[in-house]
Amino acid sequence: GENVEQHPSTLSVQEGDSAVIKCTYSDSASNYFPWYKQELGKGPQLIIDIRSNVGEKKDQRIAVTLNKTAKHFSLHITETQPEDSAVYFCAASKGYSSASKIIFGSGTRLSIRP
Amino acid sequence: DTAVSQTPKYLVTQMGNDKSIKCEQNLGHDTMYWYKQDSKKFLKIMFSYNNKELIINETVPNRFSPKSPDKAHLNLHINSLELGDSAVYFCASSQVQGGLTGANVLTFGAGSRLTVL
Repeated sequence: GENVEQHPSTLSVQEGDSAVIKCTYSDSASNYFPWYKQELGKGPQLIIDIRSNVGEKKDQRIAVTLNKTAKHFSLHITETQPEDSAVYFCAASKGYSSASKIIFGSGTRLSIRP
Repeated sequence: DTAVSQTPKYLVTQMGNDKSIKCEQNLGHDTMYWYKQDSKKFLKIMFSYNNKELIINETVPNRFSPKSPDKAHLNLHINSLELGDSAVYFCASSQVQGGLTGANVLTFGAGSRLTVL
């Protein structure tokens, strides 16, 4: 089955700097790659997703890149702000059906230093 | 408010007891899930239901029994609780969208923290 590895497990950056979180997946048939943000005491919430027919996607300060050949995808957050502090999860899924399992990475705890 | 709501938020119980967690979504989604998040924050899928039908059943002890009375509700019953069952259990729902703009966006509840003593 699919396996998603995520690095780093913790990341601390100065406010205003950029943060990058990297993930790799094992199943070359995976075609949907969402990123979720989990704030303290809450459930994860989707912040951005990318499909395998796209190499890059951007939404304001957040961007995601996908390298299908290397089976890598990354989350980039620019101009970090205190409210970006949270645990971030990458995930991978094959197909778009109710039987498609969304497999999560192990999470990255991002801390923004003032 | 449209949401995924789960109860209780906190559950503390003794080993060997039986407990249930309830989940309801008013988003009109067809698919509901249970995920387990352990102390290291690792999120693992346990079950999914589509229109009351069990679709995904991961390698979970049969002490865990999900029940979906209708597509808006998915409950989780756990028998003979063990220390290792301590975790946060998340309910989620989604409305799968296929095609070129396909997506499967999960909407999570706030979680139910289960502590087994």
